Amino acid sequence: GESVGLHLPTLSVQEGDNSIINCAYSNSASDYFIWYKQESGKGPQFIIDIRSNMDKRQGQRVTVLLNKTVKHLSLQIAATQPGDSAVYFCAEKRDNYGQNFVFGPGTRLSVLP
Amino acid sequence: NAGVTQTPKFRILKIGQSMTLQCTQDMNHNYMYWYRQDPGMGLKLIYYSVGAGITDKGEVPNGYNVSRSTTEDFPLRLELAAPSQTSVYFCASSETRGSGNTIYFGEGSWLTVV
Repeated sequence: GESVGLHLPTLSVQEGDNSIINCAYSNSASDYFIWYKQESGKGPQFIIDIRSNMDKRQGQRVTVLLNKTVKHLSLQIAATQPGDSAVYFCAEKRDNYGQNFVFGPGTRLSVLP
Repeated sequence: NAGVTQTPKFRILKIGQSMTLQCTQDMNHNYMYWYRQDPGMGLKLIYYSVGAGITDKGEVPNGYNVSRSTTEDFPLRLELAAPSQTSVYFCASSETRGSGNTIYFGEGSWLTVV
């Protein structure tokens, strides 16, 4: 299938290192955020979410940080593995935008052996 | 677990042809969505539905139609295919409207209009 995100920014990390992927959002009223992972030829897969009343949330090997002051979201992946290679994008839910989540274009993570 | 299933996976259409992308979900979710994804761009909402019998336009609805006759199914129809509709289409569903309910996606349908 066609690869998505042909012109995305790319982050290259060595296997075993930590990865940090960033996302800026635009609406200070957004109250819920999600990080998705999308492998080539597949649909987006939920990784972790965070509500606006939190500034940090941890999962298995992943941590999401939310800085509402500067409207910035980051995804940290610990001990990056080859299977983490994918496009990662954030989504913000705008409370005043009905059912619409707004999705970022994504960052391509490339894990080097 | 099936989740969100969409068909076909790949399709080539000629300009002016019509087709329907099928989508079904087995999670009993009220909300369903159709997105398109173009290279280097974020997902754009085409149409969504908050329940059977109810549909609403998203950000980029022109050239598409949807229906929601059952909770499970949410087909997307392209009436007169145009090259601008070449894209990857994702169907998705979520449980409720409130915050904290994530969207689950299907595997995508790659459509090329020539």
